[in-house]
This record gives sequence, C-alpha cells and structure tokens, in this order.
Amino acid sequence: GQQVMQIPQYQHVQEGEDFTTYCNSSTTLSNIQWYKQRPGGHPVFLIQLVKSGEVKKQKRLTFQFGEAKKNSSLHITATQTTDVGTYFCAGPPESNYQLIWGAGTKLIIKP
Amino acid sequence: DTGVSQDPRHKITKRGQNVTFRCDPISEHNRLYWYRQTLGQGPEFLTYFQNEAQLEKSRLLSDRFSAERPKGSFSTLEIQRTEQGDSAMYLCASSFQKRETQYFGPGTRLLVL
Repeated sequence: GQQVMQIPQYQHVQEGEDFTTYCNSSTTLSNIQWYKQRPGGHPVFLIQLVKSGEVKKQKRLTFQFGEAKKNSSLHITATQTTDVGTYFCAGPPESNYQLIWGAGTKLIIKP
Repeated sequence: DTGVSQDPRHKITKRGQNVTFRCDPISEHNRLYWYRQTLGQGPEFLTYFQNEAQLEKSRLLSDRFSAERPKGSFSTLEIQRTEQGDSAMYLCASSFQKRETQYFGPGTRLLVL
C-alpha cells in the first residue's frame, strides 16, 4: 500500500545544533504538509508545499519538496528548547485526498 | 476559540462498555476526519466526512466503530464493546477543501481497563 517513511525516528541534539528530518513517499504526492506535535499535545499545522522543488522558510525552519514530489525534508537551524516535539510529514497521493502520515521524528534536546 | 473542539478530553472505561466521543469542527469547514494515534506513531486514518456524507472508512476499522455527522456540523465516534487495544488518542480534524490543511482538535484520550 501507499506509505510515507520518515527518518530518523528520534534525534538527540544539543541546544544550538541543527536538526533534519526526511520523508520519502512510495507514491507521488499532490502536496506535502508538515505538522508539529508537542508532548501531550495534538498535531499543529506548520506548512504546506505544493510545487515540485519548492523551498519555504519559516524563521529557523526550512522545508523542501523534492522534484519528483515524493520526498521532503525539514531542517531546523540552531535548535532551541521550544523546538522540542515530534515532527510529522503527511501528504495526499495524487490519486486521492486522504493524508498519509509519516511516523514522525522526535526532536530531543540534550540537557 | 474557533478551533476544533473535542469532548471529552479523557475517558476511562471498562472493557466491554460503549463509548462515544464528540467533535465540533471549525464552522466553515465541510470536511471532517477521525484519526487514532498511539504512542510513538503518527495519526492513523479512521474515517472521513464531507458535509454529512461518510465518504471513506479505513479497512482497518472494526465494525465496532461507527461515526456520524448527521447535520454536517459536529460528528460523533462510537466504539461498542471496547477492548483494551482500543486505548489510544482519538483525534478529530477538519478542513475546508480537498487535500487542504487539516486542523486538529485536542483529542480524546481513551483508556480501556
């Protein structure tokens, strides 16, 4: 079936270090969406990318959508404690509307 | 607050009991989704409504689960004869357009003893 693989599952960083999570879909996506879920919270929408090769920035966050519209990445520069949480990618295959979710990457800041 | 709301936020029940959860989407959103999320996993799609019509159910969804959206506004998710494996966070989301951003409610955390 259609899947979105997301790696790594966890990433431990020192505050101030960079963080990257990658998504790879088994099928072409019509768009890619990124969500952040804080511990004990619910997913909160961050951004949507639609165009092939699109890059968007939100302050220290950089989002990319691959040329083939099958992969995406989120890069956080100089992490802060407020960045802690699990980052999910999700996208609807071009064949239907239903979002297929990655399993998430948990960002952990080392004390 | 005009976001998605869910009630109750927490539910503890005994195995075999029925439970019902409610979701109130953002008022102008005509699409409503139910997901289930367990620890360390992403949201798992359960079912989807466009207005009052239930357009898709996950093949993984047991027949003990039923959802309604009778007037195209709020929705209910009922689980009959609950099992311990039903323990999870049940999330509701809504969106305005097909394939558009989904806005999530705070979820209902279910614990089946």
